[in-house]
Amino acid sequence: GAVVSQHPSWVICKSGTSVKIECRSLDFQATTMFWYRQFPKQSLMLMATSNEGSKATYEQGVEKDKFLINHASLTLSTLTVTSAHPEDSSFYICSAHLHTEAFFGQGTRLTVV
Amino acid sequence: GIQVEQSPPDLILQEGANSTLRCNFSDSVNNLQWFHQNPWGQLINLFYIPSGTKQNGRLSATTVATERYSLLYISSSQTTDSGVYFCAVGSGNTGKLIFGQGTTLQVKP
Repeated sequence: GAVVSQHPSWVICKSGTSVKIECRSLDFQATTMFWYRQFPKQSLMLMATSNEGSKATYEQGVEKDKFLINHASLTLSTLTVTSAHPEDSSFYICSAHLHTEAFFGQGTRLTVV
Repeated sequence: GIQVEQSPPDLILQEGANSTLRCNFSDSVNNLQWFHQNPWGQLINLFYIPSGTKQNGRLSATTVATERYSLLYISSSQTTDSGVYFCAVGSGNTGKLIFGQGTTLQVKP
């Protein structure tokens, strides 16, 4: 199967600071990657679609100015949580498709204190 | 949008028992995947199964696309099978996946 790597696995930051999360497809190229968010004991909710070389597409209700997405190459997408607040604390997970099957990164647990 | 419902929400089994998890979806799909989320949050791909039947060891899955449901079978369960099982579906060509609420499985020794 395909490998998607996410970094960091966990991060603690102070309220008001920004945090960058990286998502890499290690053994395949992905023109599109996806970012999901998962609150404790809940399901995954799609936040945005990351498109290589163009702007990301955000799902309804997701603030694009708070969650900045950059898809700089065919193997790397980044999610920056800007001016983080405690309510942004969550598990963020990315995915990329090889052919039509989705593969997920390990996830990043963000805690804002 | 497509609605995805999984049942049961919680399941407790004794080691060695068999189980069936169900995923119902409200519209036609061209992607259906089953995942196991381990205690560290990692989503492990179990099956890519928009239709038909597949088997992998003690696990098998069947999707009946015309009736809009999929089943995941776990036989001879082990404690390492514990965790949350998600069904996720997609339609069209966007690649987006919609997840069900998951089934939390606990296998007791």
